Amino acid sequence: KQEVTQIPAALSVPEGENLVLNCSFTDSAIYNLQWFRQDPGKGLTSLLLIQSSQREQTSGRLNASLDKSSGRSTLYIAASQPGDSATYLCAVIPVMEYGNKLVFGAGTILRVKS
Amino acid sequence: NAGVTQTPKFRVLKTGQSMTLLCAQDMNHEYMYWYRQDPGMGLRLIHYSVGEGTTAKGEVPDGYNVSRLKKQNFLLGLESAAPSQTSVYFCASSYKGGRRNTEAFFGQGTRLTVV
Repeated sequence: KQEVTQIPAALSVPEGENLVLNCSFTDSAIYNLQWFRQDPGKGLTSLLLIQSSQREQTSGRLNASLDKSSGRSTLYIAASQPGDSATYLCAVIPVMEYGNKLVFGAGTILRVKS
Repeated sequence: NAGVTQTPKFRVLKTGQSMTLLCAQDMNHEYMYWYRQDPGMGLRLIHYSVGEGTTAKGEVPDGYNVSRLKKQNFLLGLESAAPSQTSVYFCASSYKGGRRNTEAFFGQGTRLTVV
């Protein structure tokens, strides 16, 4: 059974720092990996989707990498801002799971201090 | 562009009452999902659908039923609510793949309290 782990569980950084959030998964047979952002009391917003054949995706100050063979992904946030404070979730679609069902990690709670 | 819309956003039920949560998507996605999110448990899949008229069980289906009579709508029903069903419910949708990527889009959630 696919399991997804996110480290650290919580992170507090001063504004302006570059930071890395980690995601690991136990089975490398995935269809894709998706990073989400969730603000308190809100829904999930898709940040980046990496197909299994890709190594990275970039959107603005965000860069996500994927090393499928080692079962790892990182989300890099450049020049962090207080508005980046949120919970960040990663999720994978296992290849053997019909229906493109996402398996989620528990998330990393990020706080960027001004 | 509405995306995925859930109604209602908040609801308080008494134990034993029933209700239906509605999810509507306007992206012509084939696949739709219902998840629940609980503190310390992350998001868990309740039921999902791979097309109009089809439904299937996810990880935590007990106590819930679903229907997908139209491609754009996915309904989640609680026949007899229990306090253990107090949670935040999220609907999501995606293309099935192929030439279109499988990026999943989520609604804003329904916060349900069962007393």
